[in-house]
Amino acid sequence: GQNIDQPTEMTATEGAIVQINCTYQTSGFNGLFWYQQHAGEAPTFLSYNVLDGLEEKGRFSSFLSRSKGYSYLLLKELQMKDSASYLCAAPRGYQKVTFGTGTKLQVIP
Amino acid sequence: GAGVSQSPRYKVAKRGQDVALRCDPISGHVSLFWYQQALGQGPEFLTYFQNEAQLDKSGLPSDRFFAERPEGSVSTLKIQRTQQEDSAVYLCASSSHTSNAGELFFGEGSRLTVL
Repeated sequence: GQNIDQPTEMTATEGAIVQINCTYQTSGFNGLFWYQQHAGEAPTFLSYNVLDGLEEKGRFSSFLSRSKGYSYLLLKELQMKDSASYLCAAPRGYQKVTFGTGTKLQVIP
Repeated sequence: GAGVSQSPRYKVAKRGQDVALRCDPISGHVSLFWYQQALGQGPEFLTYFQNEAQLDKSGLPSDRFFAERPEGSVSTLKIQRTQQEDSAVYLCASSSHTSNAGELFFGEGSRLTVL
């Protein structure tokens, strides 16, 4: 996706913690979304950060720094079912959501 | 229905054929989006509707692509004279939000293969 960057692939071990980073151009974006997409399935919503800071939701946490154009998704206590692509997305204006190319996470035993 | 429904799930078309992809959003959702997702890529924005009004069509790649939502519920994405580069998954999403961005609910997508 245009103006949004995230790593293409990551590998992590079951039970471990993994951090997926996302950087974006600050102008014109209002907040940041994270979506999870299993292979062959639809993306599903994980989080939406509008303000700076860390938001925790169970095993998943998301952080945003608007001034730095930086976000990360933190996954704790990794499970095999967490193997999926994680999409960073930012709304430009109020409705046009631009997605990154996604980070394919592989969780290994 | 409970979620966003798209049909057909799979479509194979010969180059030059016209195709129509249907999206039935979550009941009551005002906002509807179409995205195109190529293999290994993130979804690319195509167009956005608020009720029946198409407020943004800046992502439509060419004039062969046309979308409508005549009654503010079901939407159809039409691709005329399909080309091989049109092969992708077409995702529809709906949202209850209008004035600010909110969670998008995606359908399973329509996978188009152009031979």
